[in-house]
Amino acid sequence: GAGVSQTPSNKVTEKGKYVELRCDPISGHTALYWYRQSLGQGPEFLIYFQGTGAADDSGLPNDRFFAVRPEGSVSTLKIQRTERGDSAVYLCASSLPGSAVMAGSEQFFGPGTRLTVL
Amino acid sequence: AQRVTQPEKLLSVFKGAPVELKCNYSYSGSPELFWYVQYSRQRLQLLLRHISRESIKGFTADLNKGETSFHLKKPFAQEEDSAMYYCALIVNYGQNFVFGPGTRLSVLP
Repeated sequence: GAGVSQTPSNKVTEKGKYVELRCDPISGHTALYWYRQSLGQGPEFLIYFQGTGAADDSGLPNDRFFAVRPEGSVSTLKIQRTERGDSAVYLCASSLPGSAVMAGSEQFFGPGTRLTVL
Repeated sequence: AQRVTQPEKLLSVFKGAPVELKCNYSYSGSPELFWYVQYSRQRLQLLLRHISRESIKGFTADLNKGETSFHLKKPFAQEEDSAMYYCALIVNYGQNFVFGPGTRLSVLP
């Protein structure tokens, strides 16, 4: 079946502009994660959704970043007043919920959106 | 605070040689650890998880709580193993993953 998809694949914007990044998870996956990956670094957790609600948004760096998942499927990461430091690859991953308290389910990653802020 | 370290940015070995990719973690709770791999021009994908105690593509990893390590090993490296490898720790009951900075493995012919 189809994997996780992300659009756009590349986004170039100017400092101060607003951007939206979209993630389409695998059908039936209730858990959805957003990560940010800067050059030479591992993925950095931003936010986790279980269904429609953000269960953990502790990774969002500041209030310019916001994410929604209104129907429990597609999610949009929104960045206001972009800064050059926001330039990175933004990854989305989805999974089935863990079957036990400490058993995290496998995450399936999308191809990422490369955001460049000029 | 929870943290994952991978001390080697780049590891080069010859085909057929043993390989060990190091991973250390710090976490006050009971750890659950994973290895993810990203081959050239492909997506990040799960390689193995310690809870499954499995061997995937000849790779194994043992959780050592005393040394807080989860090193990835393979006795005989193959050229197709060349990729970026990320160690990851799950925290907060599966709501938050902490990834290490990654190690690029290069297997030379």
